[in-house]
Amino acid sequence: AQKITQTQPGMFVQEKEAVTLDCTYDTSDPSYGLFWYKQPSSGEMIFLIYQGSYDQQNATEGRYSLNFQKARKSANLVISASQLGDSAMYFCAMREVYSGGGADGLTFGKGTHLIIQP
Amino acid sequence: ETGVTQTPRHLVMGMTNKKSLKCEQHLGHNAMYWYKQSAKKPLELMFVYNFKEQTENNSVPSRFSPECPNSSHLFLHLHTLQPEDSALYLCASSQDLSGTNEKLFFGSGTQLSVL
Repeated sequence: AQKITQTQPGMFVQEKEAVTLDCTYDTSDPSYGLFWYKQPSSGEMIFLIYQGSYDQQNATEGRYSLNFQKARKSANLVISASQLGDSAMYFCAMREVYSGGGADGLTFGKGTHLIIQP
Repeated sequence: ETGVTQTPRHLVMGMTNKKSLKCEQHLGHNAMYWYKQSAKKPLELMFVYNFKEQTENNSVPSRFSPECPNSSHLFLHLHTLQPEDSALYLCASSQDLSGTNEKLFFGSGTQLSVL
């Protein structure tokens, strides 16, 4: 079973509109972290926002916010006032902490290709 | 400018060639990673090193051989690859592996084509 599911392969959004990118995750660990990355056509993965499983409030970073619904295992990314430069691939990812206290690399979803139209 | 540099940016090789991908991080991190990104598939974690010690090998074929001589450098040695190995190979680093909030910093990747 996939640990990270992104159900929107592609999205077209008008400039200046808000956009929500969906992400659901699957884990039995009580301690985990959720991340969103942006990958423009240049290939580099750019960190956008982080949400810890024990965080009480939704994370925000500038125009980015994370709608964290723990019971639903959902971590949707919201981009307010979209811009042409937001056109890129967006990946949701999770990091789990193991019982011994160590962690590992991030597990990624398949991504959503977001295109902002003028 | 990214703190993680990968070379080369593009590589074309035949199935009998031997080549190496290089990654260098200038962030003072202790953990480094190799990921493979193929079309229409999620990023696949290949190898993880923490303080120069390999901590993860996700059932990667032996034709991929990682090397981490120090915490700042990571190599991926390639030999007798298959066409299905064509992909974008991304290197990343993080402070270490101690917690859930360790974000990864990525390089721009090496686009590999195996003919």
